[in-house]
Amino acid sequence: NAGVTQTPKFQVLKTGQSMTLQCAQDMNHNSMYWYRQDPGMGLRLIYYSASEGTTDKGEVPNGYNVSRLNKREFSLRLESAAPSQTSVYFCASSDGPRDIQYFGAGTRLSVL
Amino acid sequence: RKEVEQDPGPFNVPEGATVAFNCTYSNSASQSFFWYRQDCRKEPKLLMSVYSSGNEDGRFTAQLNRASQYISLLIRDSKLSDSATYLCVVSVQAGTALIFGKGTTLSVSS
Repeated sequence: NAGVTQTPKFQVLKTGQSMTLQCAQDMNHNSMYWYRQDPGMGLRLIYYSASEGTTDKGEVPNGYNVSRLNKREFSLRLESAAPSQTSVYFCASSDGPRDIQYFGAGTRLSVL
Repeated sequence: RKEVEQDPGPFNVPEGATVAFNCTYSNSASQSFFWYRQDCRKEPKLLMSVYSSGNEDGRFTAQLNRASQYISLLIRDSKLSDSATYLCVVSVQAGTALIFGKGTTLSVSS
């Protein structure tokens, strides 16, 4: 079972470049999430989408945009990457009432 | 005050030991509680949900004290494979944000 699939797994960007992180889930979940994880900071929510067509800001949304393309896909875009956005990014989806989140394998992003 | 607080550790224990992790949360409206496990450079995975009555899954026991806003995880008979970071997680409303603690690192040695 694929679960939550993220692409790419690794990426190196130069300051000012843009890129989109892709996420897709095959579990028919309504809610999807983007987190970043930095050493000593734990997981922090960037954006989430409670259902298709809706998105909401999380704890650290500045510098990011998201698109809930359909029920399966939720993308994260960095318009002008900054070194402070060097991090590991995780996408997750959840199964509604039980509120259990399932994570993708992560994208390791370095911005030089 | 951080919404979910955990002792970061590390906890270094020998195989067979019993180890307990504690967690406190600040929002009294929190509804759902979990322990996730994260291996080095991997994604977090659900270890167990935590219920008010307490629950057990094999060697793992989780407890919730809503009055004290306190969650615990007990691991008995530790195995080498239990070495990981354990994340205390809280949710105020289903389908919205989970709030993660920074994690407690466990290292089990032979």
